[in-house]
Amino acid sequence: AQKITQTQPGMFVQEKEAVTLDCTYDTSDQSYGLFWYKQPSSGEMIFLIYQGSYDEQNATEGRYSLNFQKARKSANLVISASQLGDSAMYFCAMRDGTSGSRLTFGEGTQLTVNP
Amino acid sequence: NAGVTQTPKFRILKIGQSMTLQCTQDMNHNYMYWYRQDPGMGLKLIYYSVGAGITDKGEVPNGYNVSRSTTEDFPLRLELAAPSQTSVYFCASSYEGRRTNGYTFGSGTRLTVV
Repeated sequence: AQKITQTQPGMFVQEKEAVTLDCTYDTSDQSYGLFWYKQPSSGEMIFLIYQGSYDEQNATEGRYSLNFQKARKSANLVISASQLGDSAMYFCAMRDGTSGSRLTFGEGTQLTVNP
Repeated sequence: NAGVTQTPKFRILKIGQSMTLQCTQDMNHNYMYWYRQDPGMGLKLIYYSVGAGITDKGEVPNGYNVSRSTTEDFPLRLELAAPSQTSVYFCASSYEGRRTNGYTFGSGTRLTVV
């Protein structure tokens, strides 16, 4: 069964610095997709970035990039130039051939950006 | 374009009561999902639907029922509420067939069972 592991329950970063949030995954499928979502204190779930297993380039979306290391089965989220508004819970999620459209979520990392 | 709309936003139920959480999407998405999020935890899939008239169980379906009579609506029914069902419930939808397929989530329903 697919599994997502986020080993950092909480992370702290200074404003304007970069931060990496870790995510490792486990699947036996060759075709899969990895997602990151942001959940601010208001509670909504915001889609940030997607990486497909066959994508040759690491995904980027503005200040977000995904450090995809297929052999290590890791999909770390990098946030550059952190802002106070980046303080939130961040979830890594995966779908694969077995799960179809269903996403499996990790436990999340609480990021706090300090001024 | 409203996206995914969930009602109510908050609800307190007594043990043994029943209720329906409503979910509507106006994006013509074919797939819809219900997740629950317990405090400090990730999301767990309760039920999902790949189209009108088709539903299937997720990871934690016990104590819940769903129906999908239209593309737009995907209500979640709680029968005989228990304290273990205290959680935040998220409805989401997606359109399968697109390459980069993030879900669109509703704003959530915070349910407390006392």
